[in-house]
Amino acid sequence: RKEVEQDPGPFNVPEGATVAFNCTYSNSASQSFFWYRQDCRKEPKLLMSVYSSGNEDGRFTAQLNRASQYISLLIRDSKLSDSATYLCVVNREGGVGGKLIFGQGTELSVKP
Amino acid sequence: DAGVIQSPRHEVTEMGQEVTLRCKPISGHDYLFWYRQTMMRGLELLIYFNNNVPIDDSGMPEDRFSAKMPNASFSTLKIQPSEPRDSAVYFCASSLSGADYEQYFGPGTRLTVT
Repeated sequence: RKEVEQDPGPFNVPEGATVAFNCTYSNSASQSFFWYRQDCRKEPKLLMSVYSSGNEDGRFTAQLNRASQYISLLIRDSKLSDSATYLCVVNREGGVGGKLIFGQGTELSVKP
Repeated sequence: DAGVIQSPRHEVTEMGQEVTLRCKPISGHDYLFWYRQTMMRGLELLIYFNNNVPIDDSGMPEDRFSAKMPNASFSTLKIQPSEPRDSAVYFCASSLSGADYEQYFGPGTRLTVT
């Protein structure tokens, strides 16, 4: 079993749709959580951190459920420019140091 | 800020040859990470450094891979000898104070071993 597992893609949605991605992690000691975005043939870039209380950044909302070891990302009013692969990322150790474990990614394609 | 710089951007080499990938982290960042990305395995951490010292190399696939960081502004990842299964995109990333902070990735080196 992979340490970080994501919904298989691709997700094909029309502009304006709401889409949700899910992610589970296996190590209960994991401390920090993130969503990264990767455009085709580009490097990953941080989209947002995920906090225990949930957090929102414009059209993007991230949720964390530590008890279920589950992370989600909700994108509202999707735009063509949201088309990318979304990577669920977990810091296994936390604190100063540690390393990130990346999920396989979920591909999103937003169509006109 | 120039961001993380990697070279070369593309490398095509024959099996058995030595390959050296280079990375210049963002100035002031004290953590440096090397990743490999393939379709089959996704993004995998190979090794990371803190203040030029290797902290965790458990992701390095085998002895053919080695990484060095002789100073705060330069790191290399070497594969010797290279094999076709090493074909992948290799990313370097840097951050402040470890993985709780955003990691900034370089553009990657696309390696093809024939």
